[in-house]
Amino acid sequence: EPEVTQTPSHQVTQMGQEVILRCVPISNHLYFYWYRQILGQKVEFLVSFYNNEISEKSEIFDDQFSVERPDGSNFTLKIRSTKLEDSAMYFCASKAAYGYTFGSGTRLTVV
Amino acid sequence: QKEVEQDPGPLSVPEGAIVSLNCTYSNSAFQYFMWYRQYSRKGPELLMYTYSSGNKEDGRFTAQVDKSSKYISLFIRDSQPSDSATYLCAMTDLAGGTSYGKLTFGQGTILTVHP
Repeated sequence: EPEVTQTPSHQVTQMGQEVILRCVPISNHLYFYWYRQILGQKVEFLVSFYNNEISEKSEIFDDQFSVERPDGSNFTLKIRSTKLEDSAMYFCASKAAYGYTFGSGTRLTVV
Repeated sequence: QKEVEQDPGPLSVPEGAIVSLNCTYSNSAFQYFMWYRQYSRKGPELLMYTYSSGNKEDGRFTAQVDKSSKYISLFIRDSQPSDSATYLCAMTDLAGGTSYGKLTFGQGTILTVHP
């Protein structure tokens, strides 16, 4: 069964450092998303990406965040200057027509 | 009012029980409704996907949508210890023009099925 692959599974970073979270979506999917889940809280939408541009973003997705699809397979989320409150699980998802498939997530710990 | 509300539980049932999980929502534009299962520190895994009102059955799982009441349910029959997980409802309007199908999730219900 096709799957969404995320790396790394766990990242520890110092406050103020830049991090890049990587995702390989399912190859024939056209819509890509990042969500995050702070421990004990809801899964929250961050950003959607279609046709090589951001199609929608949430209030959380401020200027510290950016997304890129640098080649035909990878989809990245960059946080420029991490804060303690960025500590969360970050999930990448991709979608064809209707079905959404999530990756296993990257656990980001900011210390 | 929260856009999607889900009782976080926890819910503990004996093996073989019928489990009922529910969500209510306020946004009448939602048309596509999903149930995901999430194990600890893992990504959500799609269980059921329904469009508009009605029922859908898949093995031991039945999803129901009542758009008039803005209420969705997931029933698990003959529950097993392996069903122990967090169950998330999620929904979207898939309006396309402005929404590109972002999902809005419930809080998640923690379910434990004990032998």
